[in-house]
Amino acid sequence: AQKVTQAQTEISVVEKEDVTLDCVYETRDTTYYLFWYKQPPSGELVFLIRRNSFDEQNEISGRYSWNFQKSTSSFNFTITASQVVDSAVYFCALTQEGYDYKLSFGAGTTVTVRA
Amino acid sequence: SAVISQKPSRDICQRGTSLTIQCQVDSQVTMMFWYRQQPGQSLTLIATANQGSEATYESGFVIDKFPISRPNLTFSTLTVSNMSPEDSSIYLCSVVFANVLTFGAGSRLTVL
Repeated sequence: AQKVTQAQTEISVVEKEDVTLDCVYETRDTTYYLFWYKQPPSGELVFLIRRNSFDEQNEISGRYSWNFQKSTSSFNFTITASQVVDSAVYFCALTQEGYDYKLSFGAGTTVTVRA
Repeated sequence: SAVISQKPSRDICQRGTSLTIQCQVDSQVTMMFWYRQQPGQSLTLIATANQGSEATYESGFVIDKFPISRPNLTFSTLTVSNMSPEDSSIYLCSVVFANVLTFGAGSRLTVL
C-alpha cells in the first residue's frame, strides 16, 4: 500500500520568508514517482514537479526547490522568498511505475503568505 | 500540455437530483480519469474512462452512483446520481500527458 503524509496542515508566513513543506511517503515499490501540485484559491491543480525514485538529485526551479531523501522517505518542498501569489494548498503525491494516473495524494498543506 | 475544459465550473443542486459534468480535452487520449476532492480533503480517484469500454471504478465507487460515458477520444462525462449533501465536492477530470497527470479546473458541486 502507498501512503503520503503531509503533517503540516497550515503554514502562515510573512512575505519574503522561506517556507518548507514536509512530505513523507510509504511504498513497497522500488520504482515509484513523487509529485508536488499546487492548488491556488481558483481550484485548479497545477503540476510542479515529478521525480522518480532513482533520481535523488535535488532540484531548483526559480524560487522553488525540492529535497528528495530516499533514506528517510521524504520529498520536501521549499519556497524561497515567499510571495502572496504562493498562497495555495500544496499536495504531495506518489504513484508506482506504470500507474501514472493513480496518484496517492497527501492531505495537503495550506500555505498563507501575508503581505 | 493538454488543455482540459470542464462544465459546469460550479453548481448548486438539490438533494435527490442528478448532475452531469462534462470534460473536453484538446487532444485525443486513450484514458481519462475522474477524481473527487471533498471539502478540505485530498483527491481520490473515482474511475478510469476508456473509449469504447465500460469505466473501471475504484473501491468505494459504483457505476449506479457515478455513471461515466466516453463516446470519443476527447470527451467524457461523469454523472453524480441521486445526490446528497455528502456528494458536495470538487470533481476533477484528468489525463496523463508526458507522464504527468494533468487536471481540469474542476466542477465544484454543492448539494443542499
